[in-house]
Amino acid sequence: GAGVSQSPSNKVTEKGKDVELRCDPISGHTALYWYRQRLGQGLEFLIYFQGNSAPDKSGLPSDRFSAERTGESVSTLTIQRTQQEDSAVYLCASSLKGASYGYTFGSGTRLTVV
Amino acid sequence: AQKITQTQPGMFVQEKEAVTLDCTYDTSDQSYGLFWYKQPSSGEMIFLIYQGSYDEQNATEGRYSLNFQKARKSANLVISASQLGDSAMYFCAMREPRGNYGGSQGNLIFGKGTKLSVKP
Repeated sequence: GAGVSQSPSNKVTEKGKDVELRCDPISGHTALYWYRQRLGQGLEFLIYFQGNSAPDKSGLPSDRFSAERTGESVSTLTIQRTQQEDSAVYLCASSLKGASYGYTFGSGTRLTVV
Repeated sequence: AQKITQTQPGMFVQEKEAVTLDCTYDTSDQSYGLFWYKQPSSGEMIFLIYQGSYDEQNATEGRYSLNFQKARKSANLVISASQLGDSAMYFCAMREPRGNYGGSQGNLIFGKGTKLSVKP
């Protein structure tokens, strides 16, 4: 596709349930990133995939969070046993390899845990 | 310590005037990249401008320019001739060359943002 696609755009879930968020990057972009943005806050790095290298998981806030990516395609971010503090917009971005390339962001998934 | 500092939580500017949004950064690397993003109320993140640490000229993209002062570790965004559609959050970000896992590039680290409001 022309841009980074995220689904669902909105998700309301009950506390304690698991959720899965999906990101489809721009074709040819080897790097993929997940960020979290709480209401009125900046972007908090979660995880970074670069090609077939081991992902940088240093931003994941707890072991309830995990993410997968197969090759250079779709990624899924899974949050297990959701808590109310997980409520946020989850943004996915992709980029070409190289420090001078900026990210192209998706529209995000707004997660509300009730 | 914060890597990216944006000291202005909110700014107001009159339509058609210029405005400067401040950003300072902290890194020990010689090679890095600096970025500015705009986030309107719709929530999308829009890439505005990029400055490489070795670039001698300040980056410009239309009405956007980046006032890069390397010795002061400053990368301020200047918006000329402000428009009502410029009202948004603006985030400064930095990419260092090496990620935590020894990758060839690190992730973007964002500041907390500045909310710009353009008055008619």
